[in-house]
Amino acid sequence: EPEVTQTPSHQVTQMGQEVILRCVPISNHLYFYWYRQILGQKVEFLVSFYNNEISEKSEIFDDQFSVERPDGSNFTLKIRSTKLEDSAMYFCASSHRGGGYEQYFGPGTRLTVT
Amino acid sequence: GQQVMQIPQYQHVQEGEDFTTYCNSSTTLSNIQWYKQRPGGHPVFLIQLVKSGEVKKQKRLTFQFGEAKKNSSLHITATQTTDVGTYFCAGPDNYGQNFVFGPGTRLSVLP
Repeated sequence: EPEVTQTPSHQVTQMGQEVILRCVPISNHLYFYWYRQILGQKVEFLVSFYNNEISEKSEIFDDQFSVERPDGSNFTLKIRSTKLEDSAMYFCASSHRGGGYEQYFGPGTRLTVT
Repeated sequence: GQQVMQIPQYQHVQEGEDFTTYCNSSTTLSNIQWYKQRPGGHPVFLIQLVKSGEVKKQKRLTFQFGEAKKNSSLHITATQTTDVGTYFCAGPDNYGQNFVFGPGTRLSVLP
C-alpha cells in the first residue's frame, strides 16, 4: 500500500539554525500539506500546496517558513531561523483531491530546537 | 475563525465498556472527518461524513453527523486495548480547502 514518507525521523538543531524537513507524498496525489503537533496537543494546520503553489496557510506559517516541491516527488518544509517554540512533531500529508478528501499522513519528523 | 471542540478530553474505560467522543463546530461543516492517532504514531484517516444526519459503521465504530451539520460523534462498542489512542475530528475551514482539527479525545482502555 502506498504511503507518505518523511525524513529525517528526528532532527535536533540549535536555535537560529535553518532546517529542512522532507516528505515524499503518495505518487498520484495532487494536494500536499504540512501540519505540526506540539507534544500532547492537537494537530495544527500549517500550509497546503497544490499545482506548485501555496493554496492556504495558517497564522503559524509566517515568513520563517517556506515550502517547495523541488522535483516531481519531494515536498519540503524549510524553517529559516528556528526558535525554541518550533519544537514539535511535523507531519506531512497528501490527498488525491482537495476540499476535504481524506488525507494520508506521514510518520512525522520530530524537531527539537535547543 | 472556525473552532472545533471535542469532549471529553480524556476517557478511561475498562475493556469491554463502550466509549463515545463528541465533536462540535462553531460553524456549519460541509463534511467532517475522523482520525485516530496511536501513541507515538501519526493520524490515520477513519471516515468522512458528508450528509446531514448521516450514520456510518465500521465494525464496532459508529459515526454520526448531526442534522445541523455542526456536530458529530464517534461511538465504540465493547472497547478493546487496540482502541487506545487519540481520536480527532476535523472539519473544513471557512474556505473549504483545509481541515481544522479538534483537540482530540485520548482514550485509555484498561485490560
